[in-house]
Amino acid sequence: DVKVTQSSRYLVKRTGEKVFLECVQDMDHENMFWYRQDPGLGLRLIYFSYDVKMKEKGDIPEGYSVSREKKERFSLILESASTNQTSMYLCASSLNIADTQYFGPGTRLTVL
Amino acid sequence: KQEVTQIPAALSVPEGENLVLNCSFTDSAIYNLQWFRQDPGKGLTSLLLIQSSQREQTSGRLNASLDKSSGRSTLYIAASQPGDSATYLCAVRPGNNNDMRFGAGTRLTVKP
Repeated sequence: DVKVTQSSRYLVKRTGEKVFLECVQDMDHENMFWYRQDPGLGLRLIYFSYDVKMKEKGDIPEGYSVSREKKERFSLILESASTNQTSMYLCASSLNIADTQYFGPGTRLTVL
Repeated sequence: KQEVTQIPAALSVPEGENLVLNCSFTDSAIYNLQWFRQDPGKGLTSLLLIQSSQREQTSGRLNASLDKSSGRSTLYIAASQPGDSATYLCAVRPGNNNDMRFGAGTRLTVKP
């Protein structure tokens, strides 16, 4: 069974703080993804990575950056958190780019 | 740009009913379509994946159909149970790439 874990289930941060969200997968998947999910908007892709140290912007990369130093770990970074980044953040991985994506449990981030 | 719509946003049915969830998409040129389930505060779990060349997929009490020409997919749930209560999301992949477009989901409640 594929397992995707995220470092925190719930996180509360203050405006302007630097925030790290970590995601780890244990199935040697090439591709990893970060989405945010907001009511009525569905999931929107922030960034994805198709290999170590490789990254591509998704639909809404502004205000975010990512890091993939090891194959199993993909980090999402909010350089200076803002209240409009309050959301549910979901990480996913897949073996091939068009395969089923396996999702982590999500991190609900609140920025005050 | 592919847009995915799910109507209704919420649905409540008594236990035992057969029900249909709807998904529509604006561009019929798709690579595949996937249905996911999301429990409250959790990540997504893949239910069924239909390739563009297929008309339907079945898994247990679930049956998903695809009509590309009309831009529609349905998820049929037979003999619904309270444990089926969750949000169901439809996602369309326009091409053989990472770009997956999600609907906002239908929140299903099955009452005992």
